[in-house]
Formats: sequence, structure tokens, C-alpha cells
Amino acid sequence: DVKVTQSSRYLVKRTGEKVFLECVQDMDHENMFWYRQDPGLGLRLIYFSYDVKMKEKGDIPEGYSVSREKKERFSLILESASTNQTSMYLCASKRSGGGVYEQYFGPGTRLTVT
Amino acid sequence: SQELEQSPQSLIVQEGKNLTINCTSSKTLYGLYWYKQKYGEGLIFLMMLQKGGEEKSHEKITAKLDEKKQQSSLHITASQPSHAGIYLCGADFSGSARQLTFGSGTQLTVLP
Repeated sequence: DVKVTQSSRYLVKRTGEKVFLECVQDMDHENMFWYRQDPGLGLRLIYFSYDVKMKEKGDIPEGYSVSREKKERFSLILESASTNQTSMYLCASKRSGGGVYEQYFGPGTRLTVT
Repeated sequence: SQELEQSPQSLIVQEGKNLTINCTSSKTLYGLYWYKQKYGEGLIFLMMLQKGGEEKSHEKITAKLDEKKQQSSLHITASQPSHAGIYLCGADFSGSARQLTFGSGTQLTVLP
């Protein structure tokens, strides 16, 4: 089974802190994604990566950055956390190739910024 | 996303009843993915549809994609409390399936 793990289920940070959210997948997937989920807005894509050291902006990249130094790990960074970044953060991974494949999701990190 | 509308936003049904959730796109879909999410957890993949008119079933859940590939429905027959959760549709608009656009979700409650 594909497993996508996220470093924390719950996180509380203060405004202005630098926050790291880590995601690790164990199936050698090329593509990895970070979403945030807010009530009534569904999932919105923040960043994705289709290879090591490669990244592309999603729909709402402002206030976030990412890092992918190893294939299995994709990190989301909040340089200076703000209260409007309080949200549920979901990581996903997906294999590449000629076929069409689904995204596998981690359990999520619920981040509260006070 | 305004490109993808899900309805209804929430649904409360009695156990044993049938129900349908809809996902409507403003553009032609290359693929449509259905996911289920238990409260506070990650998403579990249910089904993916690609071809116009395609229909797939898994246990008591059936998903369809219309011929024009702009609308999909998820139908649950004889609902059970285990079906409760948030159902989300995700659309592939690019054809690469690299990036999905998600609907806002449907919160399903099944009363025993």
C-alpha cells in the first residue's frame, strides 16, 4: 500500500514564526503536492513538484515556499506564519507515467496560528 | 473552485436511503476523480472516470460521467452510517492529470 505520512497531525504556532510541514511518501512517486483545505472552499493547491528540486506554483502560493531535496520528501514552509494560514494542510503524491493515476493523500496537518 | 461546482453542500439522509451527489464543470473534463474524507483525516480515492458515458461501481457506490464530460454524479444505494463523510470531486482539466482542481465538497450525514 502507498503510504503518505505527514510530520504532525496538529500544530499550534505563533504569528511570525517560521513553520515547516513535512511530507514523506514511500512509493517512489515522482509528483508531490501540497493543498490547504478550508470550509466551503474545498482543497486548493499551494505548490506541487514533479521531480527532485523542481517545483511549480499552484493556485495560492503566496506566503508559502517548498523544498524537495529528495524524491520521497516534500516540505512546505511558512516563512512568517499569519493567522489567515490557519487551516488543514494535506500532502499528496502521484506516480508519473503513460497511464492516469490517482493522488494518494496523507492524513493532514491541522495548523493553528495564534 | 468556480470551475467545478459540487452539490449539494451538505446532505442528511436516513440509513437505507439512496442519495446522489453532483459535480458540474464549466469546461470539458479529461478525467474526474472522486474521493471520500472522514472528518479531520486525509482523502481516500474512490473512483476515476475518463470516458464520456463511463460508469463505475464499487460496493454500493456508483459514479457516472456524462457524454459531454462536463458532469459527474456519485450515487450511493442503501446508505449506511459508514458512508458518512465528505465527498470531493477532483477534475483534470489539462489532460496530464498532474494537477487536479477540487470541488468544495459534500458533507454527508447518515442517520441510523
